[in-house]
Order: sequence, then C-alpha cells, then structure tokens
Amino acid sequence: KAGVTQTPRYLIKTRGQQVTLSCSPISGHRSVSWYQQTPGQGLQFLFEYFSETQRNKGNFPGRFSGRQFSNSRSEMNVSTLELGDSALYLCASSFARVTSGANVLTFGAGSRLTVL
Amino acid sequence: AQTVTQSQPEMSVQEAETVTLSCTYDTSESNYYLFWYKQPPSRQMILVIRQEAYKQQNATENRFSVNFQKAAKSFSLKISDSQLGDTAMYFCAFTSYSGAGSYQLTFGKGTKLSVIP
Repeated sequence: KAGVTQTPRYLIKTRGQQVTLSCSPISGHRSVSWYQQTPGQGLQFLFEYFSETQRNKGNFPGRFSGRQFSNSRSEMNVSTLELGDSALYLCASSFARVTSGANVLTFGAGSRLTVL
Repeated sequence: AQTVTQSQPEMSVQEAETVTLSCTYDTSESNYYLFWYKQPPSRQMILVIRQEAYKQQNATENRFSVNFQKAAKSFSLKISDSQLGDTAMYFCAFTSYSGAGSYQLTFGKGTKLSVIP
C-alpha cells in the first residue's frame, strides 16, 4: 500500500514568487492536512481538507491556501513568498471515519522549501 | 488554546537501556487524544503510540509505553530496550474536536533522542 506522497521534495524560490506543493494521500483516505515545520516555531497546523472542502484552518495569513480534488489529492499554494516561509511542509492523510474520533494521521516525507 | 510542553530538548540513552520522555499539556477539554510521533533523520513522521483521554489504561506498543496522568495533564513516553533505530526527534501531540468533523494536532517542540551504542 503506497504511503503519502509529496512532491517536490526540495525546491528553492526567491522572495515574491509563489509555490505550489502537491500531496497524494493513501488510497481511501479522504482527509488531508498540512503542517509547517520550522526550527523556531516547530510544527504548526495550516489547514485540513475533507471531500474537497476546507473544514479547518490554522492561524496563517491568506497567502497560504490550498485545495483538494475529487480524488483526494491536495495542493497547497503560497503566494508572495517571504524569507520566513522557508520550512518543511508536511502533508498528512487519514481515513477520517466520523464515528471513530480522532483518526491517526499518516505523514508524507515533506517538501523542503527554501526562500532566498 | 491548547499547549503542549516537552521540557527535554535533547536526551541520550545507552543501547538496551530504558528512557522516559516527558510531555505536559494544558487544556480545558475533557475528551481528547494524545499521541507520540517519531521523526527519524529521514524526516518521515511516524506514529509511535496513541492514547484516548477517556481510557484510564495506559497504551502500549511493543517496547513503547506511556504513563498517562490525566489529573496532572502529563503524558510521558517510556522506551524499553532502546535500539539504535530509536534515534529520532520525538513529538508529543494533542488533539480534540475542532468542529465540522475536524481534529487538528497541536505539537510540542520535540525531544531529540540519541541512542548510543
């Protein structure tokens, strides 16, 4: 069973550019969450998508956005990049069965973004 | 807002020995879940163990066990018979219902564990 796949694994951008990161969840998983990991702030929740709808959002500026497609694949976009956006962006998927409470998240390997 | 505190930024343990990683959290919720995740140098975050707050019995997974003290809001992880492959960052995480069917994780800053041969 394939795990959570994130592309690209590494990318370098300059300030002011935009970036799109992709996440393919485990087959059958309908929920996709995104987290930002930095040395200073640690792991912070960005947003969660379920059945193509954003159902939760963290405390990030509007430059951070995302979407989910009908096949559950998700993308996140960061516009007008700033130096502080340099981070490891982690995607996680879960089956999200409503009756089972908090489901276990399975994480991808992450996309390492460097902003110069 | 919930907070998770891991007071030990770094720890080391001899191979085959036992080590305990500390985690405390703050919440006003009565129903929630706690997790320990492991992030090896290769970066892929892996679930180690999960605990549901309403279950008084401490969760165990092979060499990994937790000491869940709900009143004290403490959730420590014990690793027995430490192995070289246990070298990693360990994150304690908390979640409770956020509405609309969603649960978001709040992570601690992590503890870097090194297993010494």
